[in-house]
Amino acid sequence: EVQLVESGGGLVQPGGSLRLSCAASGFTVSSKYMNWVRQAPGKGLEWVSLINSGGSTYYADSVKGRFTISRDSSKNTLYLQMNSLRTEDTAVYYCASRYFDWKGAFDIWGQGTMVTVSS
Amino acid sequence: QSALTQPPSASGSPGQSVTISCTGTSSDVGGYNYVSWYQQHPGKAPKLMIYEVTKRPSGVPDRFSGSKSGNTASLTVSGLQAEDEADYYCSSYAGSPTYVFGTGTKVTVL
Repeated sequence: EVQLVESGGGLVQPGGSLRLSCAASGFTVSSKYMNWVRQAPGKGLEWVSLINSGGSTYYADSVKGRFTISRDSSKNTLYLQMNSLRTEDTAVYYCASRYFDWKGAFDIWGQGTMVTVSS
Repeated sequence: QSALTQPPSASGSPGQSVTISCTGTSSDVGGYNYVSWYQQHPGKAPKLMIYEVTKRPSGVPDRFSGSKSGNTASLTVSGLQAEDEADYYCSSYAGSPTYVFGTGTKVTVL
């Protein structure tokens, strides 16, 4: 079964750091375009970052320079390193893949992990 | 990277149709045929309903259809059912590559 499972969320103070993980099963993370998408409480979805099958990375302006997306093929896991966190980064973070290679679409989603940035 | 504009709410009675618009610019919706639509029930992850403007993934009922004209894309849900009550988000490729989502529409089945 194709599945994504996020972990690593929690409460962190402003200015702090957190690393999110997204473990994949049923496919190889390094062969797919993988994304992070977030949703602030009661708000809409926001695309955060992408790593393509070639390893190139891309970021939304709101997180550029603070967040880093990466993957570990040996663990078949996607990561999001979040530094210099701000209160506005509070959200549920989803990992989402382009499993079927449909351009522009996020076809497989994890259940999400909550990140709360607060003092 | 401004969010695409969707109406906050839409509603219809069971069996009726509802259409949700998604307005962007020539840099996103109007520039690419990579518009997708997502359904999200409360407390759940989004689910892909439409990709590449008009295509439906396997398992999505054919009551769901997509279209695009210029900078505006649309999702139509025909034959509304109770389980269609949810939030719906559009998304578009915006070059570079980056992606932009819509503001979201809450669909209520009366």
